[in-house]
Amino acid sequence: EPEVTQTPSHQVTQMGQEVILRCVPISNHLYFYWYRQILGQKVEFLVSFYNNEISEKSEIFDDQFSVERPDGSNFTLKIRSTKLEDSAMYFCASSQRLVGSYEQYFGPGTRLTVT
Amino acid sequence: GEDVEQSLFLSVREGDSSVINCTYTDSSSTYLYWYKQEPGAGLQLLTYIFSNMDMKQDQRLTVLLNKKDKHLSLRIADTQTGDSAIYFCAERTGTASKLTFGTGTRLQVTL
Repeated sequence: EPEVTQTPSHQVTQMGQEVILRCVPISNHLYFYWYRQILGQKVEFLVSFYNNEISEKSEIFDDQFSVERPDGSNFTLKIRSTKLEDSAMYFCASSQRLVGSYEQYFGPGTRLTVT
Repeated sequence: GEDVEQSLFLSVREGDSSVINCTYTDSSSTYLYWYKQEPGAGLQLLTYIFSNMDMKQDQRLTVLLNKKDKHLSLRIADTQTGDSAIYFCAERTGTASKLTFGTGTRLQVTL
């Protein structure tokens, strides 16, 4: 069964450093998302992406964040200058379409630890 | 704005039914989803219901939606130890692409 994959599974970085989290969505999906879950808190939407453009973003997704689809398979989330409060589990998701039920399928997550 | 709430913990005995509840505030919800998260794993989509439906059954899972009270529930029949996980409800509203998640309910299944 096709699945969303994410690398790395765990990333440790120092405050102020740039990190890139990588995702490979399901191959025939066209819509891509990033969510995050700070330990003990809700899963929060960050951004959705379609046709090489951001469709929607939350207040969390400020200028420190960017997304890119550098090739036909990868979808990346970049945090330019990490802060301690960026420590969280980051989930990538993809869906085949935007209308109807458009189920979103999630990857296993990347745990980001900022020290 | 959207807000989704769930009780934090539920303990059931193996073989019993589990009922996990969720309330939401946004009346323009179009689809409501249930996800399962096992330790160290991602979010697994279990089922979903369209907002004009009252009930949906999928094998051991039954979703009930009370739109008037903005209440959603997930019933798991014959609960097994493998059902132990955190269960999240989530809503999508209008044409928005994002999902808004609840706090998650940790289901513990005891022998």
